[in-house]
Amino acid sequence: DQQVKQNSPSLSVQEGRISILNCDYTNSMFDYFLWYKKYPAEGPTFLISISSIKDKNEDGRFTVFLNKSAKHLSLHIVPSQPGDSAVYFCAASGFSGAGSYQLTFGKGTKLSVIP
Amino acid sequence: DGGITQSPKYLFRKEGQNVTLSCEQNLNHDAMYWYRQDPGQGLRLIYYSQIVNDFQKGDIAEGYSVSREKKESFPLTVTSAQKNPTAFYLCASVGQGWDQPQHFGDGTRLSIL
Repeated sequence: DQQVKQNSPSLSVQEGRISILNCDYTNSMFDYFLWYKKYPAEGPTFLISISSIKDKNEDGRFTVFLNKSAKHLSLHIVPSQPGDSAVYFCAASGFSGAGSYQLTFGKGTKLSVIP
Repeated sequence: DGGITQSPKYLFRKEGQNVTLSCEQNLNHDAMYWYRQDPGQGLRLIYYSQIVNDFQKGDIAEGYSVSREKKESFPLTVTSAQKNPTAFYLCASVGQGWDQPQHFGDGTRLSIL
């Protein structure tokens, strides 16, 4: 059972426009959410995060929104640039029974920014 | 510069052979993780370690083994019992605190000869 879902495998956006990547989760115990960016044959790079006590976090061109009641978060990239073309993973963290915080990842959304 | 180093970048395994993937970090992080990524899939947790000399199984530990003899090092062995080892393997570490992001190495691509 997928606890973190990214329902759009791919997204194409024109350069300069807004990119919106969506993520849904099912586990109400998740309290920290992250977005990672990944290029082929490289490790994921941390992009931005948000804790469950907030509904918005902004860092430059990147903004993450959290709607706890809908168990939904989204990443907005404005304006989109060709260098943003990558796979974006949504991840959620919660305290596990083993006494640690585990990350659960979605399957990723491949963003293509068209010049 | 502080970071996580995975080696080798590419690795080939023959049938019936065990191979070991290296992961070293100089971030002074206590917790380290191993993930597997398959095409079109998210990252799945293989093993993790919260402290030296201790480690726990993740969601897909069968066919893998780890050790944590030093804080800086968390090697992963892919044993011959892992029947489908071809994948991209990622190592991560994280500092203390529930709101800290995991940081990743650049991965090892394992293929079967």
